[in-house]
This record gives sequence, C-alpha cells and structure tokens, in this order.
Amino acid sequence: QQQVKQSPQSLIVQKGGISIINCAYENTAFDYFPWYQQFPGKGPALLIAIRPDVSEKKEGRFTISFNKSAKQFSLHIMDSQPGDSATYFCAAKRQGGSEKLVFGKGTKLTVNP
Amino acid sequence: NAGVTQTPKFQVLKTGQSMTLQCAQDMNHEYMSWYRQDPGMGLRLIHYSVGAGITDQGEVPNGYNVSRSTTEDFPLRLLSAAPSQTSVYFCASSLYSGTSGPLAKNIQYFGAGTRLSVL
Repeated sequence: QQQVKQSPQSLIVQKGGISIINCAYENTAFDYFPWYQQFPGKGPALLIAIRPDVSEKKEGRFTISFNKSAKQFSLHIMDSQPGDSATYFCAAKRQGGSEKLVFGKGTKLTVNP
Repeated sequence: NAGVTQTPKFQVLKTGQSMTLQCAQDMNHEYMSWYRQDPGMGLRLIHYSVGAGITDQGEVPNGYNVSRSTTEDFPLRLLSAAPSQTSVYFCASSLYSGTSGPLAKNIQYFGAGTRLSVL
C-alpha cells in the first residue's frame, strides 16, 4: 500500500520552462508535506515544505500548491534551469508525535539547455 | 558543524557477512532514522529512534538491527548480509519528533549515503 503516490516518474523540460510534479495521498492524518531534492551521489535535502492550513507556498522559483479536499499537492519549478536537474521526492508525515516520513517514489527531472 | 556523517561511503560484502553502517550527527537532534533507496522505490524507512535508548521498526526492518546508546550515534547493523540488501543507505536526523511548531523543527537532514553491494 503506497501512502504517497508521485507522478510522473521522469520529466524532461526545456530551460526556462515550468516543471510540475504531482503527489496524492490517502491518509487524512498527514499534516506536514515536504519536498526533497536529490542530486546524483548525494543525500536528499529539503527544498520546501507546507502544512495543509495554506493552499500555496512559494520560495523563489519553487512553489507548492496544496489541495486539501482532493488530497493532492504539487511542486512547480518556474523558469527551470539545467542546475535543477535532480530527483525530487514528495513526502508526508502525520500528526500525533510520529516522526516517520512517508516518501513518494521520486521524479527524475532533466532540464535541457 | 558537520551535520550528518555516514561511514563508510562504499562497501562490498559477501553473502552471510555482517557489518555496521555508522551514522553520527552533531546537531543534538533527538530523532534519527535509517532509509534504504532502491531504483524506482523511493526511500523506505528501516528503523528509527526518537531518543537515546528508544528505537522502533520502520517499513522494512527485517535483516537489520539498530541501537541508540547516545544522542549523536545511530549505527545500523546487518546481521547476515543478503544480495537483497544491496542498496544505498541513508541516515537522517531532525530536531523534533512531532509535526506542530515551526516548520524548521521538522526538517530531516540526510547524510551523503553508504552504497552497499552484497555479492
């Protein structure tokens, strides 16, 4: 049972374009939704995170859009750059004191110059 | 401040051998965890700890043991390595063990990983 479903598995975008990665979840107890970025040979690093009390959060070129009723959230990368080429993971964590993050399977983003 | 340090970076084992993957953090984080990353599978939680002396199983704990005798260290032991344990292993830590409070407290910091091959 996959608790967080991520799509697409891979994505190719031209420089300057918009990259969009989507995630869906089932557990309504989730209340923390981070996105992690991972470059080859490195560990994942937090990119941006959101709680369900807001519908959007923006940090520079990166935006999370959150739809609580649909139980979906997405990452938008505006003006995509070759340096954004990496694997992106969405994740979720539920309230109640558990620190366990549940990850999506990842999206490999390639931004062509 | 080194963050999360994992050793070794690479390891090759023969089936049946045992070994310990080391993880240390210098941020005084109470929560630490081990994940394995396999192609197309994302990150799967093996074991985690919410503080010294407290550990619990994650999604894929079989074949692995952990202990947490200090806040700083959280080693992962492979008791009898199997080819199915060939993977990249990541250790992570975070300050907080809940989801309320500032978002910054929820950030999990990952080490650079240990690439393990079991022949």
